[in-house]
Amino acid sequence: GESVGLHLPTLSVQEGDNSIINCAYSNSASDYFIWYKQESGKGPQFIIDIRSNMDKRQGQRVTVLLNKTVKHLSLQIAATQPGDSAVYFCAEGATGYSSASKIIFGSGTRLSIRP
Amino acid sequence: EAQVTQNPRYLITVTGKKLTVTCSQNMNHEYMSWYRQDPGLGLRQIYYSMNVEVTDKGDVPEGYKVSRKEKRNFPLILESPSPNQTSLYFCASSPLDRNTEAFFGQGTRLTVV
Repeated sequence: GESVGLHLPTLSVQEGDNSIINCAYSNSASDYFIWYKQESGKGPQFIIDIRSNMDKRQGQRVTVLLNKTVKHLSLQIAATQPGDSAVYFCAEGATGYSSASKIIFGSGTRLSIRP
Repeated sequence: EAQVTQNPRYLITVTGKKLTVTCSQNMNHEYMSWYRQDPGLGLRQIYYSMNVEVTDKGDVPEGYKVSRKEKRNFPLILESPSPNQTSLYFCASSPLDRNTEAFFGQGTRLTVV
């Protein structure tokens, strides 16, 4: 399959434990944030998003936390499973401009699951 | 099945030889975009389109062109490819009112020699 990146930060987690993947964003004007998952040989897949007027949002087994004060975003995965092994990207975007739909991706974190 | 289809999946070409990577989506999405992915750099947006005949530059548009003549298609054109355009390319689409929920294609691995 396609390689995603050779020198990504890696988080190694025991199967069944919770995973926390962190991301720092740069643009104070960003008003929405997204997490994507990319498995080997595939395109990124949307996981969850959060608007800047929220500080927490929960999905199925995932929670995203947003701290605008320190421009920090995290993705928590509960009870990590082997199928969670992937590279995870955070992304940010801003609405309200004429060219409103630019989305900027972070460089990614590889999540590795130990059996 | 809802999908974004890119072609070709793999391409090796020579410097200066014009090429087109096609992208088609069957979800009637208004928003489409192209990204390139390079090791350690994540995905960088090349161009995007918010609807037919509406395109705009992303972060790394130099050396690329796009067109959006039909809603479902958003081809990426490299008029004169150079080795620094060797990369993994992804096309994505989403509804304009939910453009965070993008569907991505499988990727096109381009090598320019």
